[in-house]
Amino acid sequence: AQSVTQLGSHVSVSEGALVLLRCNYSSSVPPYLFWYVQYPNQGLQLLLKYTSAATLVKGINGFEAEFKKSETSFHLTKPSAHMSDAAEYFCAYTGGFKTIFGAGTRLFVKA
Amino acid sequence: GAGVSQSPSNKVTEKGKDVELRCDPISGHTALYWYRQSLGQGLEFLIYFQGNSAPDKSGLPSDRFSAERTGGSVSTLTIQRTQQEDSAVYLCASSPSSGQGAHGANVLTFGAGSRLTVL
Repeated sequence: AQSVTQLGSHVSVSEGALVLLRCNYSSSVPPYLFWYVQYPNQGLQLLLKYTSAATLVKGINGFEAEFKKSETSFHLTKPSAHMSDAAEYFCAYTGGFKTIFGAGTRLFVKA
Repeated sequence: GAGVSQSPSNKVTEKGKDVELRCDPISGHTALYWYRQSLGQGLEFLIYFQGNSAPDKSGLPSDRFSAERTGGSVSTLTIQRTQQEDSAVYLCASSPSSGQGAHGANVLTFGAGSRLTVL
């Protein structure tokens, strides 16, 4: 069965520090992978997506993610966290005819 | 429309009552999804519509939940005999299409959600 696992329901970093949010998927078909972000009291919006064109994908607000087939991972990173990055981040997978989401990781950024 | 519209934005109901939640997708989007977002549970897939195909109902948690999509556009999610555990935010999303191949990369556009509270 297809699934998406996000390691860590909460991640806390200091402003200026590296952000690393982990996502692993399990699937028997080639995946399309996404990261969505939900800012407080707002709807979900796309951060970036992987569609097999390039393994390193750049998104909005300085975020990027690398698809590693051997590790079935699609971790999200940002070199330097900003206070405005505080939000909930969802990894998502489309491998068939529906999109499934991970449980989400809430990112806290400390001043 | 310009975005995905959901109504009501907030609904408080008593246990045992039926509720209807409405989703108006982006015009021309053939794929429509319903998800449920509960605290600490992420986004739980409920149901998916693609054009005129039979919907994928595999995520509906019980037979109290049903959804329909009329004319390939507006969708209504109905919860009968609501229970307290149904309290959550119900999110609707649409995309131009869905599935494998080039269309599989389509991005979902979400509505603001309908927050349901069952007392």
